[in-house]
Amino acid sequence: QVEIIQSGAEVRKPGASVRVSCKVSGHTLSQLSMHWVRQAPGKGLEWMGGFDPEDVERSFTQRFQGRVTVTEDTSTDTIYLDLTSLRLDDTAVYYCAAAVLYRSLDYWGQGTAVTVSA
Amino acid sequence: DIQMTQSPSSLSASVGDTVTITCRSSQSISIYLNWYQQKPGKAPKLLIHSASSLQSGVPSRFRGSGSGTDFTLTISSLQPEDFATYYCQHSDSTPWTFGQGTKVDIK
Repeated sequence: QVEIIQSGAEVRKPGASVRVSCKVSGHTLSQLSMHWVRQAPGKGLEWMGGFDPEDVERSFTQRFQGRVTVTEDTSTDTIYLDLTSLRLDDTAVYYCAAAVLYRSLDYWGQGTAVTVSA
Repeated sequence: DIQMTQSPSSLSASVGDTVTITCRSSQSISIYLNWYQQKPGKAPKLLIHSASSLQSGVPSRFRGSGSGTDFTLTISSLQPEDFATYYCQHSDSTPWTFGQGTKVDIK
């Protein structure tokens, strides 16, 4: 069983950056394919990016390219998402999720609310 | 990018009903289709992977079917805890896009 614990809520001004962390237990990061999904208030789910086992690389959708960086600390099985140049419409709950065996998001963190407000 | 279209966007049903949600992809995705359930304020939960495989621990009243471009999630004998929003998502190729969601509420 995989458990994912995310960092707490953040408030930022437009143009600032934010870091969201996800600590994994039950598996090591190297055994998982980690993905990021966000949900704006009252809206649906948006896949931001993740590790595609077919391509053997991590990719993000075009709207996040150039603004997002993902780093991993394998000593603590923690993965970090850094999002820069924040805009008002980046206000959302950000989820990290793990794919284990199949091409599906099997385990989810509890979500991190990021509010971008002037 | 592959687009996912769910229908209906919402439906009302009673406990004990059978409900069906459909999901259509803009191009063939084989069986790379997953279904998730989300309740308010909670993270999504995987119900079905690979179009028709029930995730461990998910009740058998949830059934997924389909391949190619057309998929269905059927919930038999709806229970009070099933009132939620359901999303399909493809994983054929990146980006792994979601459908817009179907909210199932109590009639």
